[in-house]
Amino acid sequence: QKEVEQNSGPLSVPEGAIASLNCTYSDRGSQSFFWYRQYSGKSPELIMFIYSNGDKEDGRFTAQLNKASQYVSLLIRDSQPSDSATYLCAVNHGWKTSYDKVIFGPGTSLSVIP
Amino acid sequence: DGGITQSPKYLFRKEGQNVTLSCEQNLNHDAMYWYRQDPGQGLRLIYYSQIVNDFQKGDIAEGYSVSREKKESFPLTVTSAQKNPTAFYLCASSIGRTVSYNEQFFGPGTRLTVL
Repeated sequence: QKEVEQNSGPLSVPEGAIASLNCTYSDRGSQSFFWYRQYSGKSPELIMFIYSNGDKEDGRFTAQLNKASQYVSLLIRDSQPSDSATYLCAVNHGWKTSYDKVIFGPGTSLSVIP
Repeated sequence: DGGITQSPKYLFRKEGQNVTLSCEQNLNHDAMYWYRQDPGQGLRLIYYSQIVNDFQKGDIAEGYSVSREKKESFPLTVTSAQKNPTAFYLCASSIGRTVSYNEQFFGPGTRLTVL
């Protein structure tokens, strides 16, 4: 089982719709979780992080964490064509080691259709 | 302007040649990291450093070397022992373990191609 899994996509949504991106992780002791956006040919850009169960909202973005189900998601409301990118889920396994090892998922490609 | 810089943006390597990728940060971060990204794949950790003069191997360190002589700088050398070095190389930094969430921030990347 891979440590961090995401649907590779592509996920296509119409402009103005809600895009839902999902991520599951295998290490039950993971402490913090990150969502990065990566445009083609560019480096990842941090969108949000979350470390408590529940929802965290920032503008059009909402991160949801359920540690019991080992599941983290990112919702993008009112999706715009500029949201078209690959979204990387990352999980911090730092509780096990002296190093904050962050494991990245393979990413989900999102396409917002005008 | 605080941030992470990487140079060069594009790099071409001949067979058997060592090349060095530069990474500099002025965020006063303690921790720095090197990742490799291949097309359609996630990020794989090459090396990381939590403090000056100390660094540790990541998941795919073979054929790479690093140094951390200054807090601001973490150069990566791709040696001739790395048989398939063509990839997008990303440098990142984070505050360090004093912060529980410790998010990583990325530089713009270096795209390395073997001729």
